[in-house]
Amino acid sequence: SSELTQDPAVSVALGQTVRITCQGDSLRSFSAAWYQQRPGQAPILVIYDKIIRPSGIPDRFSGSTSGNTASLTITAAQAEDEADYYCNSRDSSGDHIIFGGGTKLTVL
Amino acid sequence: EVQLLESGGGLVQPGGSLRLSCAASGFTFRSHCLSWVRQVPGRGLEWVAVVYYDPTSTYYADSVKGRFTISRDNSKNILYLQMNSLSADDTAVYYCAKGLRPMDAREAYYFDSWGPGTLVSVSS
Repeated sequence: SSELTQDPAVSVALGQTVRITCQGDSLRSFSAAWYQQRPGQAPILVIYDKIIRPSGIPDRFSGSTSGNTASLTITAAQAEDEADYYCNSRDSSGDHIIFGGGTKLTVL
Repeated sequence: EVQLLESGGGLVQPGGSLRLSCAASGFTFRSHCLSWVRQVPGRGLEWVAVVYYDPTSTYYADSVKGRFTISRDNSKNILYLQMNSLSADDTAVYYCAKGLRPMDAREAYYFDSWGPGTLVSVSS
């Protein structure tokens, strides 16, 4: 498969925990990365190597993978976490880089 | 501090050509894989092309293969995207993005730095 599938939209109450998922057969072979994109801004890498947070990313962001599904979990979501979130990886052939369709997170 | 700055976007007619540039600084340019990623306003991210630290290794999305050419000038620290036979479907903001680790082609998709983007509009 050459696709990564994400739910188009997810909502979370302020201070609660939310999980955003990304499904794709290629995730059995290649690690997922996650990006946060706020309106009008370039994306920011928030998770790579399935579970690693780059410097400066709050520790309320965490990643995990099980089988063909990668997950981004935000614990105690804050208002500033409202954004679009994208996963990426390689396709099953390994030749191409692919992105999930993105998940719009609303913090209520 | 890593900086990436795209230029060269603008309005072009269908069938036309455009060359984007991405000036880079703050890291060892020749050691990192670099990609172009585009985004139609209001839509999702689409990877376009990658050039590995070995400048002869390039890969393209099927949607642009044969029309776009990615290249790098390691002496000037500039990434390029030559775009030919443009159509309305190519209208998007184009970002250049840097691979996280030096000399790492496998995880070239870990984009730890992005430019602000340059808008390409294809219209008559």
